[in-house]
Amino acid sequence: AQSVTQLDSHVSVSEGTPVLLRCNYSSSYSPSLFWYVQHPNKGLQLLLKYTSAATLVKGINGFEAEFKKSETSFHLTKPSAHMSDAAEYFCVVRDNTGRRALTFGSGTRLQVQP
Amino acid sequence: GAGVSQSPSNKVTEKGKDVELRCDPISGHTALYWYRQSLGQGLEFLIYFQGNSAPDKSGLPSDRFSAERTGGSVSTLTIQRTQQEDSAVYLCASSLVWSRELETQYFGPGTRLLVL
Repeated sequence: AQSVTQLDSHVSVSEGTPVLLRCNYSSSYSPSLFWYVQHPNKGLQLLLKYTSAATLVKGINGFEAEFKKSETSFHLTKPSAHMSDAAEYFCVVRDNTGRRALTFGSGTRLQVQP
Repeated sequence: GAGVSQSPSNKVTEKGKDVELRCDPISGHTALYWYRQSLGQGLEFLIYFQGNSAPDKSGLPSDRFSAERTGGSVSTLTIQRTQQEDSAVYLCASSLVWSRELETQYFGPGTRLLVL
């Protein structure tokens, strides 16, 4: 079975400061991990994905995430927040030996203060 | 090229009515998924199609829900005798499956369903 825990339901940062969105996963085998972003009234957009290549993954809009197997974590970071980063972020896991469906975390709402 | 499209974007219906939601995947994508996003349950998987067959229907919440895919392209999700708890955003995703590990699902904008 696979599961995802997003440790913070809300994160608030000031524009220009670093962003850290935390994610822990559980998977019975080597997983694929993803971060998706959802802006208000918009669909889900892929930010980045980990598929057993490099453990540090760079995505769009300056975001990156590091896969740490020993900690079963896949935290999302960005050095400097922008107002346009305000959105809901979902950490997602898929067990590559099981079903193809994605398992989503409960989401973290990021607020960026001016 | 065009992304995944869904129609209608919004649907308001009365309890007990049937509704049909449509998904047009990215051209050439062989895999198609339906998910549901609701306040109480978050984002949940409903059904997966590979071509026209559905090897995984495990997420359909009741027998009022059904889906089909024709021509390996368009898919329709049908909800019969809608209930208020069916109110949610229904999301469709498609992927070009090279390998399980490399697969990436691309999502449409969703259909927001409100059952009165």
